[in-house]
Amino acid sequence: ETGVTQSPTHLIKTRGQQVTLRCSSQSGHNTVSWYQQALGQGPQFIFQYYREEENGRGNFPPRFSGLQFPNYSSELNVNALELDDSALYLCASSMTGGPLHFGNGTRLTVT
Amino acid sequence: GESVGLHLPTLSVQEGDNSIINCAYSNSASDYFIWYKQESGKGPQFIIDIRSNMDKRQGQRVTVLLNKTVKHLSLQIAATQPGDSAVYFCAETYFGSGGGYNKLIFGAGTRLAVHP
Repeated sequence: ETGVTQSPTHLIKTRGQQVTLRCSSQSGHNTVSWYQQALGQGPQFIFQYYREEENGRGNFPPRFSGLQFPNYSSELNVNALELDDSALYLCASSMTGGPLHFGNGTRLTVT
Repeated sequence: GESVGLHLPTLSVQEGDNSIINCAYSNSASDYFIWYKQESGKGPQFIIDIRSNMDKRQGQRVTVLLNKTVKHLSLQIAATQPGDSAVYFCAETYFGSGGGYNKLIFGAGTRLAVHP
């Protein structure tokens, strides 16, 4: 069984740029969620996708957007990067009602 | 890898001892709880879950206790090993109205340090 995989593992961007992070869900999972984890804190919910539509969103601005594809892979896009966007971005997949299984994340540094 | 939880509370135990990690949750309506383990440079790893109609659930070397009266969870690790060293998070599940989504609300995390 293949787990959740994310790419790239590390990324450095400049303030104002745009970034796309990618995720492949665990086989058989139909729901994908994205979380932001700042250093020293627990992950914070960004949004969730089910059947290729966003069905829930946390307290993040519209410059955070996403996509879920028919094969349940997913992207997180962040526009107009700010220094405070520097964090570990985690993708998690699940079956409806089941526990979330996380990937190892993408470490984004904004300079 | 970069450390997770640089300023988290730390529980230090000797190898072979039992560990107990505690967590308070906020929403009395929450009915599904999960414990995650996060090692440096990795994502959270599912350990064990429990639903609100239970007060205890056991896995391999781990036990989760749920006290709904005081909104408290604990994770017990038997015969703690060096490989158990990590940051541990409890998470409660929030189910959004209408859209059918669910999100995890994570606790602050506890660092477990196991000494030989």
